Amino acid sequence: SYELIQPPSVSVSPGQTANITCSGRKLREKYACWYQQKPGQSPVLVIYQDNKRPSGIPERFSGSKSGSTAILTISGTQAMDEADYYCQAWDRSTAVFGTGTKVTVL
Amino acid sequence: QVQLQGSGPGLVKPSETLSLTCTVSSGSVSSDTYYWSWVRQPPGKGLEWIGYISYSGGSNYNPSLMSRVTISVDTSKNQLSLRLSSVTAADTALYYCARNHCIGGSCPGAFDLWGQGTMVTVSS
Repeated sequence: SYELIQPPSVSVSPGQTANITCSGRKLREKYACWYQQKPGQSPVLVIYQDNKRPSGIPERFSGSKSGSTAILTISGTQAMDEADYYCQAWDRSTAVFGTGTKVTVL
Repeated sequence: QVQLQGSGPGLVKPSETLSLTCTVSSGSVSSDTYYWSWVRQPPGKGLEWIGYISYSGGSNYNPSLMSRVTISVDTSKNQLSLRLSSVTAADTALYYCARNHCIGGSCPGAFDLWGQGTMVTVSS
């Protein structure tokens, strides 16, 4: 079955840049999305179609892809960005979520 | 503003069928711009997609759950439903209904709207 692998955790200082990776076989041929989930809350879409930002999502969130790795970048990280982040892609009409990354703002 | 409101029993006995409903307010489940999905999250764990139903009624399920899952839509009530049969403790999770946005004809698309989640515990 298809898998998307993320690092379990990423730590970042306030104001610095956090990069979260998501690796999957042939991910270069699929669209990647990213979701932010804060404790006790439902996930929120922050990036879709690799690098597009939904209305209302701050510009400090950006997405990119390098080969079969999708990358979520949080520039000028704020304390409010501390959350779990999940990547997601579709593989043969089946949605697959990444393993999740906990971002800690130290 | 479109909202998704999930509802259903919070406790289900092992071997029985889990049934949840999601009501779509200020929007239509029949819109050809969206698909509708169920996603679950066991306590302390990650997200797992269960399946989707399209605006035309077609559905697709996670292969690991396919034999036990049915997703349906009631357009008269603007609701989608989830049935998961023969549940075990491993099915204990927070169950979300979510909307998939077909952008530029690319379906199912991203999960752009989520309900608040319904916690279901499987226990005797």
